[in-house]
Amino acid sequence: QVQLVQSGAEVKKPGSSVKVSCKASGGTFSSYAISWVRQAPGQGLEWMGGIIPIFGTANYAQKFQGRVTITADESTSTAYMELSSLRSEDTAVYYCARVWGYSYGLSMMSAFDIWGQGTMVTVSS
Amino acid sequence: DIQMTQSPSSLSASVGDRVTITCRASQSISSYLNWYQQKPGKAPKLLIYAASSLQSGVPSRFSGSGSGTDFTLTISSLQPEDFATYYCQQSYSTLLFTFGPGTKVDIK
Repeated sequence: QVQLVQSGAEVKKPGSSVKVSCKASGGTFSSYAISWVRQAPGQGLEWMGGIIPIFGTANYAQKFQGRVTITADESTSTAYMELSSLRSEDTAVYYCARVWGYSYGLSMMSAFDIWGQGTMVTVSS
Repeated sequence: DIQMTQSPSSLSASVGDRVTITCRASQSISSYLNWYQQKPGKAPKLLIYAASSLQSGVPSRFSGSGSGTDFTLTISSLQPEDFATYYCQQSYSTLLFTFGPGTKVDIK
């Protein structure tokens, strides 16, 4: 069974960057997309963007365009999310999730079926 | 962008109650709708995919319905372990996802 294991908690200064990793074990990494979702304290889930490792192409939520970079290293089965120009509002738990694609009738659909444990990123001066 | 809303934002219920949560999309998304459960301090868990398909291992008291713009998640008989926050998510836009704001279910 595939597991996603994320890197540890980070404390960052405003204006700096953070890079969070998400390592897949126990299954095929490149066949699935990986998405990143964040959750500020007491708030809901916010999709940030994702990548299909086999293609290496990423797409991002409009809100994070220009500030987030999602990459993947197939050789280590690891995805990364880097967020720059950090501000206090970026304090959140960041999750990676496997995007499971499945056929439903004539359509291809997707859902996040496996999640990492989350990485707390605190932005504070 | 497709926007998702949920109602209610929170509800109080008792063990054994039937609970219904509604999710609405800003445009038709066919059946491209998933439901997740999240408990405090934990990652979300996939409950329902394709609007009405039960994820493997999820108890049958959970069910989903709807298509187009209006969807519901129903818990037929609320159990103590079901007290959590529930989120809907659209997957209609290819690899561009949106979550609803969540519905917190707590103990009456």
